[in-house]
Amino acid sequence: EAGVTQFPSHSVIEKGQTVTLRCDPISGHDNLYWYRRVMGKEIKFLLHFVKESKQDESGMPNNRFLAERTGGTYSTLKVQPAELEDSGVYFCASTMGQTYSGANVLTFGAGSRLTVL
Amino acid sequence: KNQVEQSPQSLIILEGKNCTLQCNYTVSPFSNLRWYKQDTGRGPVSLTIMTFSENTKSNGRYTATLDADTKQSSLHITASQLSDSASYICVVSPFSNDYKLSFGAGTTVTVRA
Repeated sequence: EAGVTQFPSHSVIEKGQTVTLRCDPISGHDNLYWYRRVMGKEIKFLLHFVKESKQDESGMPNNRFLAERTGGTYSTLKVQPAELEDSGVYFCASTMGQTYSGANVLTFGAGSRLTVL
Repeated sequence: KNQVEQSPQSLIILEGKNCTLQCNYTVSPFSNLRWYKQDTGRGPVSLTIMTFSENTKSNGRYTATLDADTKQSSLHITASQLSDSASYICVVSPFSNDYKLSFGAGTTVTVRA
C-alpha cells in the first residue's frame, strides 16, 4: 500500500511569491489533514478535509493560505503571497475513518519543507 | 504555552544503553496519547498509543507509560541501536476534536557507536 505522498519535498521561494504544495493521501482515505511545523517549534494543526469538504479550517493562520481538495482525492495547499514566517515543514496526513482512534491510524507524509527568503 | 512539554530537548547515548524521555501535558480531557518517531526527512510514525485508562504499552524495545492523574508520560528505549537516532514526539489527542492533535516539540535522540 502506497503511503501519503507529498510534493515538493523542498521549495525555496522569495517573499511575495506563490507556492503550491500537494498531498496525495492513501487511496480510500476520506480524511485528510494538513499540519505544519515552523521555526523548530511543535507541529500544529491547519485543517481537516472529509472527502472534498473542509470539515475544520480553524488552524489556518490567515487568508494567504488556501487549501483545496477537488474530487476528494489529492489536496493542495497554496500560500499566496508567501511571507518569511511561513517557512517551515508542512505535513499532510490521512485516515480512513472520521474518528482518530487506535483503529484509524493517522499516517503522515514526509512533509514539504518551505523556505521563504 | 504549549499544552505538551517534552524533556530533554536532546540527548546523546551510547549504543546498547537505555534512555527515558519525558512528556508532560495539560490537554484535558484527552482521548489518547501517542509517541511518534520521526527520522530525518521523514514523516512521524506512530510507536505507541494509550488511552486514558492504560498505564503502559510496549512496541518492541519501546515502552511507554502513562499517569493520567499527574498528566505525565514517558517513553523508555531499551538497548538502543543506531537506528533509534531520531526525534521522538509526544502527541495528545483531545476528547472533543480528536484530529486537533497537540504535539510536543520533540526530543532528539542521537545514538553513537
